Amino acid sequence: GDSVTQMEGPVTLSEEAFLTINCTYTATGYPSLFWYVQYPGEGLQLLLKATKADDKGSNKGFEATYRKETTSFHLEKGSVQVSDSAVYFCALSVAFYNQGGKLIFGQGTELSVKP
Amino acid sequence: DSGVTQTPKHLITATGQRVTLRCSPRSGDLSVYWYQQSLDQGLQFLIQYYNGEERAKGNILERFSAQQFPDLHSELNLSSLELGDSALYFCASSGSSARGGTFYEQYFGPGTRLTVT
Repeated sequence: GDSVTQMEGPVTLSEEAFLTINCTYTATGYPSLFWYVQYPGEGLQLLLKATKADDKGSNKGFEATYRKETTSFHLEKGSVQVSDSAVYFCALSVAFYNQGGKLIFGQGTELSVKP
Repeated sequence: DSGVTQTPKHLITATGQRVTLRCSPRSGDLSVYWYQQSLDQGLQFLIQYYNGEERAKGNILERFSAQQFPDLHSELNLSSLELGDSALYFCASSGSSARGGTFYEQYFGPGTRLTVT
């Protein structure tokens, strides 16, 4: 079945460091790919998305490129801030016509940024 | 603010009891999804409704049921509760053609934290 694998955390970085969180997927169809972020005590927020191969999603300095050949969707940010400390989830969805489709999540990667 | 609301925010109850969690999707969204987040299982899809009808089912226990009402709000009913049901329960919604939204982006509510004692 469809699945998502993320690098294990926690990841600890100093402020202004470069961030990469690896994500690979397995899917039988043509999934859309997402990164969600969960701040402590809060729900999930959609960070960025990509719906087809070679699409690049970006938001708030974060980027991820949909790589079909390597079935990957790695999250990157050039310079992290303390406020980026959160848990990051990679996810995929195979939509059913126009009625949406369930999200399949990776296990989450906790990021801690130190001043 | 995602526009998805969930009540209650916290719920503490005893084993064997029954509870109802409520979700109101973003205005105009026709799809509602329920997810469970626990330390050992991570984020797991439970069930999806589209315009009042069940569309997909995931790892939802037989003790759990859901429905979506004509006004598009949804309820998740959990019965014969066990200690292992303690978790965060999230509702999400996704767009409809009427709003020109996308069908694959899901927006999450703040969650209901259920504690079974």
